[in-house]
Amino acid sequence: EVQLVESGGGLVQPGGSLRLSCAASGFTFITYEMNWVRQAPGKGLEWLSYISSSGKTIYYADSVRGRFTISRDNAEKSLYLQMNSLRAEDTAIYYCVRNRDYALDFWGQGTPVTVSS
Amino acid sequence: DIQMTQSPSILSASVGDRVTITCRASQTISSWLAWYQQKPGKAPKLLIYKASILENGVPSRFSGGGSGTEFTLTINRLQPDDFATYYCQLFRGTFGQGTKVEIK
Repeated sequence: EVQLVESGGGLVQPGGSLRLSCAASGFTFITYEMNWVRQAPGKGLEWLSYISSSGKTIYYADSVRGRFTISRDNAEKSLYLQMNSLRAEDTAIYYCVRNRDYALDFWGQGTPVTVSS
Repeated sequence: DIQMTQSPSILSASVGDRVTITCRASQTISSWLAWYQQKPGKAPKLLIYKASILENGVPSRFSGGGSGTEFTLTINRLQPDDFATYYCQLFRGTFGQGTKVEIK
């Protein structure tokens, strides 16, 4: 069974940092591209970042470029999102999402991040 | 950046209706367009990829079409389980604003 389990979310003060993790199982992680997507409370979906299967190709949305860093450890079957300089508008549920055929075919359950003083 | 404009924002319909949601790109795109369904409190679910290919396990009443800058998601014979919010997305890019399909 395919599983993506996010962790690392929580409450952080503005300007602070968090590192999200996503543990993958049930599929050959090393062969899949991965993404992070978020959803602010009551709002729509926002794609944040993409990483190729090797980790060599990375893309970011303008809203997080320079503040967030995506990475992966294929040996550990894990995806990460390092989030720095957090703002109130970064408050959202963060989803780890698998890529297949130019689409987001499997989503984790999400981890909530709240940026507030 | 390419912007995706989805319409309508809210669609009121009845069980058995045929409904269509439109997604327009700000410039011509390839067929890297996908559609997702999201229910409250749940992660989104992939319905259609490459503009018109039905994801495994998705009922055949869902269909996708279009090319260039205009794409559509059609649901034939709307079922109670279909009342949800739908999003389009350009691969590695913006999502549409979402369309909430609600019971009339």
